[in-house]
Amino acid sequence: DAGVIQSPRHEVTEMGQEVTLRCKPISGHNSLFWYRQTMMRGLELLIYFNNNVPIDDSGMPEDRFSAKMPNASFSTLKIQPSEPRDSAVYFCASSPDRYYGYTFGSGTRLTVV
Amino acid sequence: RKEVEQDPGPFNVPEGATVAFNCTYSNSASQSFFWYRQDCRKEPKLLMSVYSSGNEDGRFTAQLNRASQYISLLIRDSKLSDSATYLCVVNTNAGKSTFGDGTTLTVKP
Repeated sequence: DAGVIQSPRHEVTEMGQEVTLRCKPISGHNSLFWYRQTMMRGLELLIYFNNNVPIDDSGMPEDRFSAKMPNASFSTLKIQPSEPRDSAVYFCASSPDRYYGYTFGSGTRLTVV
Repeated sequence: RKEVEQDPGPFNVPEGATVAFNCTYSNSASQSFFWYRQDCRKEPKLLMSVYSSGNEDGRFTAQLNRASQYISLLIRDSKLSDSATYLCVVNTNAGKSTFGDGTTLTVKP
């Protein structure tokens, strides 16, 4: 099993640009989560999906952030327009069920300059 | 008050020592509990689930006290490779996971 696959691993972009982060969950996992980690705020849940349906997006910071899961094997997190305060490591995680432990991807380290 | 609070740390211990971390949670409706470890600049990895009766995995023992709303992790005979940040995670009935801020452990020779 290849695990949870995220791309890109690193992204450096200029303020105002659109950023798209991608995630392929483990096959057969029904729940997918997007987290953001910073030194100041730790790990924050942004949104999670169950069977491709967004269940809780209360952690999405503002309208500049959007997430989609068009099918069971792919999800995107988009930031438009990006701002320097969005700089963080963004993790995608998947789980067989939302009550189980998660498997995290390697993360995308985003730097907005 | 944070939903999940952990010992602030850092913990610096010699090899072979026994070390314990505690974590308290505020939501009495929490359903499932986990410990993760995170190495520097890496993703969190599931270490173990925490069951009501307590559970052990090799040198690691996890305990849950629902009445007092805390969980603990005990590491016996600590190794250099145990150096990491340990994250306490609590899931609510709605399936939402809340991570603690983590406790950093450094095991020294």
